Amino acid sequence: IAGITQAPTSQILAAGRRMTLRCTQDMRHNAMYWYRQDLGLGLRLIHYSNTAGTTGKGEVPDGYSVSRANTDDFPLTLASAVPSQTSVYFCASSDSADGPYNEQFFGPGTRLTVL
Amino acid sequence: AQSVTQLGSHVSVSEGALVLLRCNYSSSVPPYLFWYVQYPNQGLQLLLKYTSAATLVKGINGFEAEFKKSETSFHLTKPSAHMSDAAEYFCAVSVDYKLSFGAGTTVTVRA
Repeated sequence: IAGITQAPTSQILAAGRRMTLRCTQDMRHNAMYWYRQDLGLGLRLIHYSNTAGTTGKGEVPDGYSVSRANTDDFPLTLASAVPSQTSVYFCASSDSADGPYNEQFFGPGTRLTVL
Repeated sequence: AQSVTQLGSHVSVSEGALVLLRCNYSSSVPPYLFWYVQYPNQGLQLLLKYTSAATLVKGINGFEAEFKKSETSFHLTKPSAHMSDAAEYFCAVSVDYKLSFGAGTTVTVRA
């Protein structure tokens, strides 16, 4: 059972470049999330999707976009990367049918450095 | 808005000693609270969650947390630390089915 896979594992990117972080889950979860993790700030929600075809903005959405064409995939795109987007990015999924107690399952993360 | 605050960004304990990680929440309604653990270079995994069925919640790896409404706290404890407990721990609250995390507490275990 793979759970959630993320690609790439790490990336160094020049400022101004476009980058898509990939996330795929095989648990048939309807909800998916993108977080960024920064030292001393914990994890902050960037975007989420409650079900295929819908997306929503989280706490820090500026500079990022997402799409949810199907249940399994939830890519995160940086249209024009800036150094402040240097971070570790985590994708997560959950079965929202469990209600507010739903456990989120996390991928291994993508470490992104923008120079 | 509901949020959690973790007291102490770093905790160092001796192997075999008590581990105590503090988390306070701000909520005007019964909160849905979680503790997650992140081992080095890995994603987060659930330790335990408060579902209002019981104030003392037992999780994996010998951890437990007690919900205290009067203190608005959900502190995490483990009676005897093991070297494998070295990790970062996050308290989180569910808001509209989305998680809001605390800043995290890094635990180091001394031999």
